[in-house]
Amino acid sequence: GENVEQHPSTLSVQEGDSAVIKCTYSDSASNYFPWYKQELGKGPQLIIDIRSNVGEKKDQRIAVTLNKTAKHFSLHITETQPEDSAVYFCAASYRSSNTGKLIFGQGTTLQVKP
Amino acid sequence: DSGVTQTPKHLITATGQRVTLRCSPRSGDLSVYWYQQSLDQGLQFLIQYYNGEERAKGNILERFSAQQFPDLHSELNLSSLELGDSALYFCASSVDGSGQPQHFGDGTRLSIL
Repeated sequence: GENVEQHPSTLSVQEGDSAVIKCTYSDSASNYFPWYKQELGKGPQLIIDIRSNVGEKKDQRIAVTLNKTAKHFSLHITETQPEDSAVYFCAASYRSSNTGKLIFGQGTTLQVKP
Repeated sequence: DSGVTQTPKHLITATGQRVTLRCSPRSGDLSVYWYQQSLDQGLQFLIQYYNGEERAKGNILERFSAQQFPDLHSELNLSSLELGDSALYFCASSVDGSGQPQHFGDGTRLSIL
């Protein structure tokens, strides 16, 4: 069935260090992979996404890589700052004309220590 | 601010009761999605509407129902509430039915006493 595994569940880094969160998906038909950041009391905020025809995408300090063969995708945050502390979720979906449901990973709590 | 508006922010009620959660999508978005977030289950897809019609169903209980109105706002109705229904309920919206991308509201926190 559809499943997304996310690791680690918690991650603690020093300010300025890099953070990497990894996800694995089960449905080989998945072709869209967004990442969301959720702060306390807020809804998930889309921070970056990648489609299956692209191997890597960058947006300032954030990058996502995709390995379709291994069904892995990862979020990379460089030069972390205390305001990056939040819960991060990966997700996967299969683009079709009928449904846009997202299958989410279990989340990673990132703590950036000043 | 994602542009997706959910009301109310908090809801406290008792077992057996019925509640209605409301969502206004971003301007121009035709599709609305409902998700449930609980500590043990994470974010789970419940249901999707596109331009007023049901498009996809996920792990939505029979006690739950939803609809999307002509003005594109959506309501999620939860009835015969049980303690286990306590969770955060999020609405998301997207321009088309593909859900790529989806933008989320800040959710309704439902507490069942």
